Amino acid sequence: SSELTQDPAVSVALGQTVRITCQGDSLRNYYATWYQQKPGQAPILVFYGKNNRPSGIPDRFSASTSRSTASLTITGAQAEDEADYYCSSRDNTGNQVLFGGGTKLTVL
Amino acid sequence: QVQLQESGPGLVKTSQTLSLTCSVSGGSISSGSFYWSWIRQLPGKGLEWIGYIFYSGDTYYNPSLKSRVTISIDTSKSQFSLRLSSVTAADTAVYYCARDLTGYTSGLAYNWFDPWGQGTLVIVSS
Repeated sequence: SSELTQDPAVSVALGQTVRITCQGDSLRNYYATWYQQKPGQAPILVFYGKNNRPSGIPDRFSASTSRSTASLTITGAQAEDEADYYCSSRDNTGNQVLFGGGTKLTVL
Repeated sequence: QVQLQESGPGLVKTSQTLSLTCSVSGGSISSGSFYWSWIRQLPGKGLEWIGYIFYSGDTYYNPSLKSRVTISIDTSKSQFSLRLSSVTAADTAVYYCARDLTGYTSGLAYNWFDPWGQGTLVIVSS
């Protein structure tokens, strides 16, 4: 398969923990990368590789992978975390880049 | 720090060729450590990778767009460019350029786009 699948929408109560998932066969061979996008803005990188969080990204963001499913976890979600989240990885040929369809996170 | 900036017409006529340029500043476009990518986002939709280029000129394109896409690089100007031919309204989108990096950990590879340009809206209309 050359697709990454995400739930279209997820909601979380303020201060609670939320997991955003991404499924795809390529995730057996490549770590997922996660991007956050707020309305009218370019995506920003929030997590990549096994354990890499860019400077400036709060440590409440973490990620993990199990078989063909990657997860982005926000522990103690804040209002400013409300955004669209996209996963990405190379495809199994290593040549293409795949994006998931995105998950809209609502913080209640 | 590296910054990317897209430029080009915001309006393109149907059936014509969309042309955009990405200017790279604050770092070398000739580094062998990076690819340089184009990504687009259709209105209200998700992200779609268009293709990338290496400083040597090697390219790889999304198969769904391959017949219409050309990405080129001018290292002397620190720019890379996108040409998309035979455009239709379905090509109306925000187009982003981004630096594409690759890493390896525990036997698995990963890539990430950072930084991104701010994006430029291109409307295709007759």
